[in-house]
Amino acid sequence: AQSVSQHNHHVILSEAASLELGCNYSYGGTVNLFWYVQYPGQHLQLLLKYFSGDPLVKGIKGFEAEFIKSKFSFNLRKPSVQWSDTAEYFCAVTYSNNTDKLIFGTGTRLQVFP
Amino acid sequence: NAGVTQTPKFRVLKTGQSMTLLCAQDMNHEYMYWYRQDPGMGLRLIHYSVGEGTTAKGEVPDGYNVSRLKKQNFLLGLESAAPSQTSVYFCASSYGGLGYGYTFGSGTRLTVV
Repeated sequence: AQSVSQHNHHVILSEAASLELGCNYSYGGTVNLFWYVQYPGQHLQLLLKYFSGDPLVKGIKGFEAEFIKSKFSFNLRKPSVQWSDTAEYFCAVTYSNNTDKLIFGTGTRLQVFP
Repeated sequence: NAGVTQTPKFRVLKTGQSMTLLCAQDMNHEYMYWYRQDPGMGLRLIHYSVGEGTTAKGEVPDGYNVSRLKKQNFLLGLESAAPSQTSVYFCASSYGGLGYGYTFGSGTRLTVV
């Protein structure tokens, strides 16, 4: 079945620490990959997306993600987090044979302490 | 630039009551979606529509109905609400299913008692 896994359910960091959130998707052909962020009490906003080309994708607010096809992964990174990055992060995928649907992971809750 | 607007933002229902959630978008998007968000389960697709007059089932369609009579509106109905339908409901829209990315509404927090 087409699915997305986020193994880190809850991550706690201090400001200035580096961040890496894992995302793995099941095999299913060509994919488009996304990371969304949901700040407390708000709706989901797009951080970055990968369609094709350079596997290292840069998004807003200093976030980046690397598509590693051989590992079916699309991990999110940020070199130095801020308190304002406290939020829930969702990885999502569409498959080329089922592009009507965006399939979400279960999310990773990030808490950043000053 | 309103984007995707959901009404109402909050609602409390008694078991067995019915209600309709409205999603409206002003971006001329073809595709619209209804998701529910529950703790530890991420977002799960309820129903979606790939154009005016069309609807399709998602991952968790039972207990819900939808209609897309106008391109800009996508309605989600609960005919007989159950406590298991307590959730936050998000509507989203996109130009098409080719991975353009979605624009989300601000959500509706529904509690069924």
